[in-house]
Amino acid sequence: AQSVTQLDSHVSVSEGTPVLLRCNYSSSYSPSLFWYVQHPNKGLQLLLKYTSAATLVKGINGFEAEFKKSETSFHLTKPSAHMSDAAEYFCVVSPSGAGYKLSFGAGTTVTVRA
Amino acid sequence: NAGVTQTPKFQVLKTGQSMTLQCAQDMNHNSMYWYRQDPGMGLRLIYYSASEGTTDKGEVPNGYNVSRLNKREFSLRLESAAPSQTSVYFCASSEPPWRPNTEAFFGQGTRLTVV
Repeated sequence: AQSVTQLDSHVSVSEGTPVLLRCNYSSSYSPSLFWYVQHPNKGLQLLLKYTSAATLVKGINGFEAEFKKSETSFHLTKPSAHMSDAAEYFCVVSPSGAGYKLSFGAGTTVTVRA
Repeated sequence: NAGVTQTPKFQVLKTGQSMTLQCAQDMNHNSMYWYRQDPGMGLRLIYYSASEGTTDKGEVPNGYNVSRLNKREFSLRLESAAPSQTSVYFCASSEPPWRPNTEAFFGQGTRLTVV
C-alpha cells in the first residue's frame, strides 16, 4: 500500500522569498515520486520526478526536491518565489514510475504576495 | 503538439442524464487513465487501461464505465448522473509501468456539474 501526505494545505509567501512544500510518503516498494503543478483552470504539469537516481532532483522553473529515504520525505523548494508560482501543487507516489496507480496528495495551494 | 485532449471542457447535466467524456492522446502511449479531482482530496483514479483492449477499476469506479476504443482513445461514460459526480475529470496517458523513468501526461480537464 502507498499513501502521500502533504503537510500544508495552504502556503503563502512574499515574492522573492523561498518556498517550501512538504511531502511525506509511505510505500511498500522503492517508489517513484513526482511533483505536479496545476495553475487555475488548467491541467497538471510535471515539475520534477525522482526515480532512484540522484536524491536531489532539479525540475522546471527553478524548483527542486530532495528525496530522503530515512525520513520518507520528498519536499519541494524554490529559492525565490515568483508571482507565476501561484498554483496548486501535488506530491504523487507511484510504485512503478508511471501513471499506473498514482497516489496523489491532497494538494498545497501556494499564494504569492507582491 | 496536442498531447492529451479532452472534450468537452465544461458540461452541466441534470440528475439521471447520461454522457460520455472523450479523451485522445497523440503520444503513442499504451496506458490511459481517468481521474476525478475533488477539493481537498487530490486526484482519485476511476478507471485505467494498461494497454489497448484492457480496462480495470481504480479507486472510485462506481457509477462509471469506460471504453478503450483504440490505442489513442479512452472514453468515460456516466450512465445516470448523480450530484455526487460533480467534479473535475482528468484523462492521462503514459507508457506502461514496467518501463522505467516515465510519467503521466494530463489533459486540461472537464468540469462537470450535475444538478
